[in-house]
Amino acid sequence: DVKVTQSSRYLVKRTGEKVFLECVQDMDHENMFWYRQDPGLGLRLIYFSYDVKMKEKGDIPEGYSVSREKKERFSLILESASTNQTSMYLCASSLLPSGGAGGTQYFGPGTRLTVL
Amino acid sequence: KNEVEQSPQNLTAQEGEFITINCSYSVGISALHWLQQHPGGGIVSLFMLSSGKKKHGRLIATINIQEKHSSLHITASHPRDSAVYICAPGGADGLTFGKGTHLIIQP
Repeated sequence: DVKVTQSSRYLVKRTGEKVFLECVQDMDHENMFWYRQDPGLGLRLIYFSYDVKMKEKGDIPEGYSVSREKKERFSLILESASTNQTSMYLCASSLLPSGGAGGTQYFGPGTRLTVL
Repeated sequence: KNEVEQSPQNLTAQEGEFITINCSYSVGISALHWLQQHPGGGIVSLFMLSSGKKKHGRLIATINIQEKHSSLHITASHPRDSAVYICAPGGADGLTFGKGTHLIIQP
């Protein structure tokens, strides 16, 4: 079974702090994704990566950056956390591009981040 | 951008009832995913389909590509089916997620 793990289930940070969210997958997947999920808005794509050191902006990249130095690890960075970044953050990976017929995404358990 | 509409937004039913959740989208796609999210956050992929119908246990998913519509059915519903169900059409730009249907099955 594919396993996607995230570094924390719950995280509380203060405004202005730099925040790192880590995601690791164990199935040698090329594609990795970071989403945030907010009530009434559903899942929204922040960034994705289709290869090591490659990254693409999603729908809401402002205030975030990412790093993918190794194939199995994809990090989301909040350079200066703000209260409007309080949310559930979900990481996912897929073997094939997600839009195609083979691109099932496997999700991590999520990190609930609160910024005070 | 694909516009995705799910209905109903909320559904409460009694154990044993037949459940239908609908998903419509605006832009042609190559495949559509149905996802399940239990309280606590974890999301599991239930189905990926590009035509016709797929069945897995008590769950059935159908898609009509021409009409840009998909349905998820649950037969003999059980309280453990209580979850949020999300449809996600997939195209050249990746997945677009519906806002989800919050399903509660009462004993």
